[in-house]
Parts: sequence; C-alpha cells; structure tokens
Amino acid sequence: QVQLVQSGAEVKKPGASVKVSCKASGYTFTSYTIHWVRQAPGQRLEWMGWINAGNGNTKYSQKFQGRVTITRDTSASAAYMELSSLRYEDTAVYYCARFGALGDAFDIWGQGTMVTVSS
Amino acid sequence: DIQMTQSPSSLSASVGDRVTITCRASQSISSYLNWYQQKPGKAPKLLIYTASSLQSGVPSRFSGSGSGTDFTLTISSLQPADFATYYCQQSYGTPWTFGQGTNVEIK
Repeated sequence: QVQLVQSGAEVKKPGASVKVSCKASGYTFTSYTIHWVRQAPGQRLEWMGWINAGNGNTKYSQKFQGRVTITRDTSASAAYMELSSLRYEDTAVYYCARFGALGDAFDIWGQGTMVTVSS
Repeated sequence: DIQMTQSPSSLSASVGDRVTITCRASQSISSYLNWYQQKPGKAPKLLIYTASSLQSGVPSRFSGSGSGTDFTLTISSLQPADFATYYCQQSYGTPWTFGQGTNVEIK
C-alpha cells in the first residue's frame, strides 16, 4: 500500500542538527512532491518546506530558511529533512507528507518523528 | 502569510449530532482549502480537499463547503470514531498554513 515511513525519535542538544528520513513505498516516488510539517506540543501544524522528488527542486518557509535542508535519494525512494542550530522551541513531532494526486492537499502522511531538544 | 482561523476551538457533542466547524482565511484563497482529522498520537488524515471534494475512503457524513474566505466542515451525524481534532489548511500560496484546530469532544 501507499505509505511513508519515518525514522525514529531523536534527542538532541541545543545547537546540534537533526536529520529525519522518510521512505516512500507503493507509488512512483519521483512523481510527487514531499513536504515537511511539524507540530510542537499543543500547537497547530506548521509547514516547513517541500522537495520535488523528481527534479530535486526545493522551497522552504521563510521561517526556517537557512536552518532547514530537504534532500532526496531517488534510488532509495526517500526524502530527508535536516534542521540545524536546534533550539528548545524546535521540540516537536516532524511529519513528512505527500502532496496529493487529486487536489492540492497532503494525502499521505508519515507516522511522525518526535525530536526533543534538551540539554 | 495567510492566516487561518477556526471556530470554535473546541466543542462538545453527542453521537448522532450534526456538527459544523468554520474556517476563515485572512484573504481570498478561492477553493484551495483542505480539512484534516487528527487523533492523539497519530498523523493527520485528509478528509476534504479543494473545499468540497471527499477524499477516497472517507465516510459520506463528512462534507465541506465554501469559497473565498469562509469555509465549513460538516459532520451530518457524529459517530464515536469522529471524536478528534480537525484542522483546515490553505494551499493557495506558500507558506501553506493551518488553522489552530477544533477539538471535538464527547458530551
């Protein structure tokens, strides 16, 4: 079935970087864009950026510009999100999501990866 | 950035009730409005896309309407599986933005 499977939970110190993976299966990886969305505890969902899995083009939210890098490996059907210079307020669940086949919406989501920033 | 505001932020309802959630955009977004359901500890699930189109596999008791700046999600007869948090999201322009969520609780 169509699914996105993310890497496991991470605990990082302030100032460090984290890299989360998102492996796709059940569909043609290069035909869609993959987006990253995060959700801090008790907060609304927040869009971070996307990558065109076909040509590798990216677009980032201005809020995260300079700190986030989204990449992909077509041979592995996987996308990656790296966030640097971590702060306590980056503690959140990070989701990858596919931008859908029908309509401009996130139709498939990964299970989420908890990233905790703690000293 | 386009601001999305949902109302109410929470509501209590009984099984079988008709429930309506409203989402307002800070500027016109045409019909580029989606609705998601999220249960605790789970990823969001797409319910409605482009304001009124039902995602495959989603029960027909869910419906969406609206265009421009004002949108609604309606659950015609609330079921036990529907107790969750609902988010609207605009895909008119980046950054894509979400509403603050509406928590639907059991009365």
